[in-house]
Amino acid sequence: GESVGLHLPTLSVQEGDNSIINCAYSNSASDYFIWYKQESGKGPQFIIDIRSNMDKRQGQRVTVLLNKTVKHLSLQIAATQPGDSAVYFCAENNANNFNKFYFGSGTKLNVKP
Amino acid sequence: KAGVTQTPRYLIKTRGQQVTLSCSPISGHRSVSWYQQTPGQGLQFLFEYFSETQRNKGNFPGRFSGRQFSNSRSEMNVSTLELGDSALYLCATQGQGHNEQFFGPGTRLTVL
Repeated sequence: GESVGLHLPTLSVQEGDNSIINCAYSNSASDYFIWYKQESGKGPQFIIDIRSNMDKRQGQRVTVLLNKTVKHLSLQIAATQPGDSAVYFCAENNANNFNKFYFGSGTKLNVKP
Repeated sequence: KAGVTQTPRYLIKTRGQQVTLSCSPISGHRSVSWYQQTPGQGLQFLFEYFSETQRNKGNFPGRFSGRQFSNSRSEMNVSTLELGDSALYLCATQGQGHNEQFFGPGTRLTVL
């Protein structure tokens, strides 16, 4: 049958503003999470990760927040730049599943100069 | 340190044919996972290999198979290709004791 493409939510921000990308995960047993950035024609690029024993983790210009109560993950990008324009995915994993990750459908970030 | 490499980058096949894709992990990485990415289904896990053994499998038909060699390089094979197999096939590798998963650039497979 005909396949229906995933409708990617799009976040448009002005260059220099902060961006917040959200992700709802499905498995309450997931204990490890990764945010990826995927540019057109490339494979996903690792941005930042967080384990379930943490609520917050900061990297360079990025912060990941984890709310296990509502199974929600967010990625904050400070001072967003045009080079940040891409599709962002969250991925969840449970250590019992070794390296099998489940990916969200993604959010397209569009940075306006 | 070289990243994950995948060959070929692009491939065009016809229905009924079979295809083999290759993935070379980052040096020292022994885990190789394969994913299929399509506009309709997003990123879906195919299987994972570690020390030449498949230790995890997704929900794909038996036409999708893989293997891993002693140098950790991995191949995946798709037999009796269908139009719906057109996708970007990604491999991701991980080092022992770490969970960070690093992806290759992918192989774009088009089935006509």
